[in-house]
Amino acid sequence: QKEVEQNSGPLSVPEGAIASLNCTYSDRGSQSFFWYRQYSGKSPELIMFIYSNGDKEDGRFTAQLNKASQYVSLLIRDSQPSDSATYLCAASSGGSYIPTFGRGTSLIVHP
Amino acid sequence: NAGVMQNPRHLVRRRGQEARLRCSPMKGHSHVYWYRQLPEEGLKFMVYLQKENIIDESGMPKERFSAEFPKEGPSILRIQQVVRGDSAAYFCASSPRGSPNTGELFFGEGSRLTVL
Repeated sequence: QKEVEQNSGPLSVPEGAIASLNCTYSDRGSQSFFWYRQYSGKSPELIMFIYSNGDKEDGRFTAQLNKASQYVSLLIRDSQPSDSATYLCAASSGGSYIPTFGRGTSLIVHP
Repeated sequence: NAGVMQNPRHLVRRRGQEARLRCSPMKGHSHVYWYRQLPEEGLKFMVYLQKENIIDESGMPKERFSAEFPKEGPSILRIQQVVRGDSAAYFCASSPRGSPNTGELFFGEGSRLTVL
């Protein structure tokens, strides 16, 4: 059974702070990792993907992957109230191309 | 995401009726995924299809649920004899197989089913 685990939160951070979201996965065969953002009542939207160990930066977002620890994280720098949403972590293996999603972490950025 | 089109956006059914949810993938995408999202829960995989072919339906309930993606027209998720536990948001996503971003999905706005 492939599992992706996330703390449901909510994670509350002040505006301008760094938000750190974490995710672990059970399938060692997972090769691709994704972070989606989902606003309440809306569809998930891809914000980052990462395949290799280490960090990947895109604007205010940094994804971090540690395959040895089966751990993925997302850092959001200079958090804004508009970043308030649920962040879904997903993992897929090369064989199935079917992403398994975590339950999501609710992020609240307060002014 | 204007690319993946789902309809209806909202559907109300009484117990025992049938629900049909439709999904048109993004242009150029030949792979469709259906996920179900219950309140306060994550996305649960249901079925993965290509045109005229079910690739993986390991997440589909064994009874009452079926899916198709015909050569022409949208993908359809069909729920027969709906029960209150079927009330959920059903998301369709598409992907271009073979993309470097393997596993990246583009989601539609979802179809929210309410069973009375």
